[in-house]
Amino acid sequence: DAKTTQPPSMDCAEGRAANLPCNHSTISGNEYVYWYRQIHSQGPQYIIHGLKNNETNEMASLIITEDRKSSTLILPHATLRDTAVYYCIVRVERFYQGAQKLVFGQGTRLTINP
Amino acid sequence: GAGVSQSPRYKVAKRGQDVALRCDPISGHVSLFWYQQALGQGPEFLTYFQNEAQLDKSGLPSDRFFAERPEGSVSTLKIQRTQQEDSAVYLCASSGFQETQYFGPGTRLLVL
Repeated sequence: DAKTTQPPSMDCAEGRAANLPCNHSTISGNEYVYWYRQIHSQGPQYIIHGLKNNETNEMASLIITEDRKSSTLILPHATLRDTAVYYCIVRVERFYQGAQKLVFGQGTRLTINP
Repeated sequence: GAGVSQSPRYKVAKRGQDVALRCDPISGHVSLFWYQQALGQGPEFLTYFQNEAQLDKSGLPSDRFFAERPEGSVSTLKIQRTQQEDSAVYLCASSGFQETQYFGPGTRLLVL
């Protein structure tokens, strides 16, 4: 079962920052927070992941609260191409001791409006 | 570099036919996963390989589903005697040491 809770849908204006929340109140100390997105008719695309520190890459920023019970994915300047379903997933990394499957919830359907 | 590729991209089968779906993972990736995604739902885990060893097949819905990865690279998901409820997108993902999974485009299967 998915261990995360996300709003089913969100809207954002093109050019603005899109902030997608995720609750993971039962997260364990060794579980990472991963974000993927799925654009219509494509496979899920990896965005970013983190353990407890905030992370940033060329696609997005990930802000994790100090208690790690929630996080926010930030798309700083949303474009129409960012319209997709965004999935927040928590999982353990075992480094070749047996990789762990991803458990997807329903995700957040983000619509970027012109 | 080359990502995960899957073939065919679309497959239409008559009920009762056998189908075979292929996944070419990213070169050097040890771990390979298969997921099934029904319309409007998130992907659901089917099975996992580490090299050629199938370590977890707990998600396979029935004994009509079979997966193999004989040389630890390319994998094939086979569905025997397809049923209408098998209609879905079948996704393959691979990962290396850092375990971030990278997905292919999927195979959309329609069983008539």
